[in-house]
Amino acid sequence: EVQLLESGGGLVQPGGSLRISCAASGFPFSSHAMSWVRQAPGKGLEWVAAINNGGGSTYYADSVKGRFTISRDNSENTLFLQMNSLRPEDTAIYYCAKDVIAVAAQFDYWGQGTVVSVSS
Amino acid sequence: EIVLTQSPATLSLSPGERATLSCRASQSVRIFLAWYQHKPGQAPRLLIYDASSRATGIPARFSGGGSGTDFTLSISSLEPEDFAIYYCLQRSEWPWTFGQGTKVEIK
Repeated sequence: EVQLLESGGGLVQPGGSLRISCAASGFPFSSHAMSWVRQAPGKGLEWVAAINNGGGSTYYADSVKGRFTISRDNSENTLFLQMNSLRPEDTAIYYCAKDVIAVAAQFDYWGQGTVVSVSS
Repeated sequence: EIVLTQSPATLSLSPGERATLSCRASQSVRIFLAWYQHKPGQAPRLLIYDASSRATGIPARFSGGGSGTDFTLSISSLEPEDFAIYYCLQRSEWPWTFGQGTKVEIK
């Protein structure tokens, strides 16, 4: 059974940093591209970042480019999102999502999300 | 970035009725558009990819069409479990972008 379990969310002050993780199981993690997608309170879905299966190619939304870094550890089946210079508008539920194989925006499995709140 | 505009914002229908949702792109995305269903408290669910291909396990009442800048998601006969928010997502160009969503609610 495919499982994606996010962790590491919490309350952080504006300008602060946070690293969230997504532990994957039930599928060959190193064969699949992964993404982070977020949903701010009362808002719609926003794609945040993607990484290919090997980790050598990364892609970002304009709103987070230069502040967030997506990475993965295929030996530990874990996806990460390092978030720096956080802003109140980064407050959201952050979901990790598994792509079918390649970087294709066909997210067939999602985690339940981790909540990030940016506030003073 | 490519902007996706979904209409209507809210669709009020009864079970058994047909739903037609629209997604318009600010520039051509060829066929590289997907549709997702999202219910409160649940993870989103992939319905359609590459404009018209149904994802694994998705019932035949869901169908997608279009290319270029204009796309539709149709639900032939609404079941109670279909009342949710629907989003389109383009992967034609980076950054990928979602539409703002269409809420399908019970009339």
